[in-house]
Amino acid sequence: EPEVTQTPSHQVTQMGQEVILRCVPISNHLYFYWYRQILGQKVEFLVSFYNNEISEKSEIFDDQFSVERPDGSNFTLKIRSTKLEDSAMYFCASLLDPLADTQYFGPGTRLTVL
Amino acid sequence: QKEVEQNSGPLSVPEGAIASLNCTYSDRVSQSFFWYRQYSGKSPELIMSIYSNGDKEDGRFTAQLNKASQYVSLLIRDSQPSDSATYLCAVIFTGNQFYFGTGTSLTVIP
Repeated sequence: EPEVTQTPSHQVTQMGQEVILRCVPISNHLYFYWYRQILGQKVEFLVSFYNNEISEKSEIFDDQFSVERPDGSNFTLKIRSTKLEDSAMYFCASLLDPLADTQYFGPGTRLTVL
Repeated sequence: QKEVEQNSGPLSVPEGAIASLNCTYSDRVSQSFFWYRQYSGKSPELIMSIYSNGDKEDGRFTAQLNKASQYVSLLIRDSQPSDSATYLCAVIFTGNQFYFGTGTSLTVIP
């Protein structure tokens, strides 16, 4: 069964460093998402991406965040200058058709900012 | 303000019993509703989606939607210890942005 994959599974970084989280969505899916979940808290929407551009973003997704689909398979989330409060699980999700389908989540990347 | 509310629990039921999980949401125009299961340290896993008022059954799971009351529930029949997890309610208010509740922790006691 097709699945969303994410790398790395765990990323440790120093505060102020840049990180790139990588996702490979399901191959025929057209809509891509990033969510984060701080330990013990709810899953929070960050951004959605369709047709090579951001379609929606939340208040959390400020100027330190960016997303890119650099080729036909990868979908990346970049955090330019990490803060301690960026420590969380980051989930990628993909979707074929928002009217007839639901989002399939990847296994997540645990980001730890020291 | 777009809100999805769930009782955080924990909810404990004996094995074989029915577990009932509830969710309310703030926006009457919402059309799409989902239940996800999340094991500790893992990603959310879709259980069911529901779009119309009434009940939708899938195996041991039944989702119930009442748009007038802005209420969606999940019933788990014949609960098993492997059902022990956090259950997340998710709603699409507009566009395709999911809003998640904080989740209800369920423990099924053998």
